[in-house]
Amino acid sequence: NAGVMQNPRHLVRRRGQEARLRCSPMKGHSHVYWYRQLPEEGLKFMVYLQKENIIDESGMPKERFSAEFPKEGPSILRIQQVVRGDSAAYFCASSPSRGKGGEAFFGQGTRLTVV
Amino acid sequence: AQSVTQLDSQVPVFEEAPVELRCNYSSSVSVYLFWYVQYPNQGLQLLLKYLSGSTLVKGINGFEAEFNKSQTSFHLRKPSVHISDTAEYFCAVESARQLTFGSGTQLTVLP
Repeated sequence: NAGVMQNPRHLVRRRGQEARLRCSPMKGHSHVYWYRQLPEEGLKFMVYLQKENIIDESGMPKERFSAEFPKEGPSILRIQQVVRGDSAAYFCASSPSRGKGGEAFFGQGTRLTVV
Repeated sequence: AQSVTQLDSQVPVFEEAPVELRCNYSSSVSVYLFWYVQYPNQGLQLLLKYLSGSTLVKGINGFEAEFNKSQTSFHLRKPSVHISDTAEYFCAVESARQLTFGSGTQLTVLP
């Protein structure tokens, strides 16, 4: 059973470009969470999704950021018109329907660098 | 709203010595508490969790933590550390499936 897969592992974008981060949850998991880790800081919650639904997006910046988890395919975190401050590690986690959010399994992250 | 404070950003310790990584939380509701470990350029791995029941919880790699409701603490301990325990450790509290993390403690085990 493969773990949570994130790709790419490293992504470099110029200011103003778009960044698309992908997350394939573990098999059988229908809940996906996105977290952002800025340098020297802990992880900050961004968004919690179930298939085709955004459950909680209270941690998402109001502009330029969006997330989806379609019926088929991976969850996507999209950042439009990236700025240097978006440089961070973005982690995805997944969990089954039951259990706690803290029992989710984390991917290895996508490290976004904006130049 | 929840918050988590990890009191030490860096903890150096010699191999085979005991270690305690401190974590305090605040929350207006019942909480679920977690400790994670992060190795360089890796994701987070769950070490242990407190959901209910016994306040002393045991996790992987010989770690344990004690939930103290009156002191709102969830300190992580290991009686004898190894070089391979060198990593960043994060304490987290959950509410409504959303995790709030502390800023992390870098544990460095010295030979």
